[in-house]
Amino acid sequence: ETGVTQTPRHLVMGMTNKKSLKCEQHLGHNAMYWYKQSAKKPLELMFVYSLEERVENNSVPSRFSPECPNSSHLFLHLHTLQPEDSALYLCASSQDLGGGSYEQYFGPGTRLTVT
Amino acid sequence: GQNIDQPTEMTATEGAIVQINCTYQTSGFNGLFWYQQHAGEAPTFLSYNVLDGLEEKGRFSSFLSRSKGYSYLLLKELQMKDSASYLCAVRDSNYQLIWGAGTKLIIKP
Repeated sequence: ETGVTQTPRHLVMGMTNKKSLKCEQHLGHNAMYWYKQSAKKPLELMFVYSLEERVENNSVPSRFSPECPNSSHLFLHLHTLQPEDSALYLCASSQDLGGGSYEQYFGPGTRLTVT
Repeated sequence: GQNIDQPTEMTATEGAIVQINCTYQTSGFNGLFWYQQHAGEAPTFLSYNVLDGLEEKGRFSSFLSRSKGYSYLLLKELQMKDSASYLCAVRDSNYQLIWGAGTKLIIKP
């Protein structure tokens, strides 16, 4: 148990659907992250939140919309996705942003397939 | 641009030693991380280096040379359960993690 949970674990959606991914961390951390992981590619950082404020948006298309209602929960709202958006979406948390040995704790991910 | 390079795949024998290299070119440096990721699972933290030298943690050790932009992860007494991908990540001057594509390690009996 890593202390970070994600639902659903698998999701198949059409290009016209709207769905949401949910992440919850039980570690009392202040920072949360969304990553995209495609086969044989580096992890791509999508969004960073610190104390519920978005601090980073790495040029992610607007069809991905994050929401952080509190420091324990993070959502990724999806709409009108493209087949190339099929990937593993990982949520992570860390004690804080910034330096130090604050490692990130990852959830198990949501395997998304866009048809 | 920022870049992390690591071998795509390595094969080693159970009980042996393997070294996984990572070289990086980043905008600034605020620490280097190694993570392990088993197939279909979340990455899990292995080690952190911010100063030059070797950090040892049980069967795993990680080395850093900041002047060379180089790190390695050393795995000793390999076990079958060590079959996984190993991810190298560098924290840059903006405190963002830049990730390598990972090294898939295959352990053979």
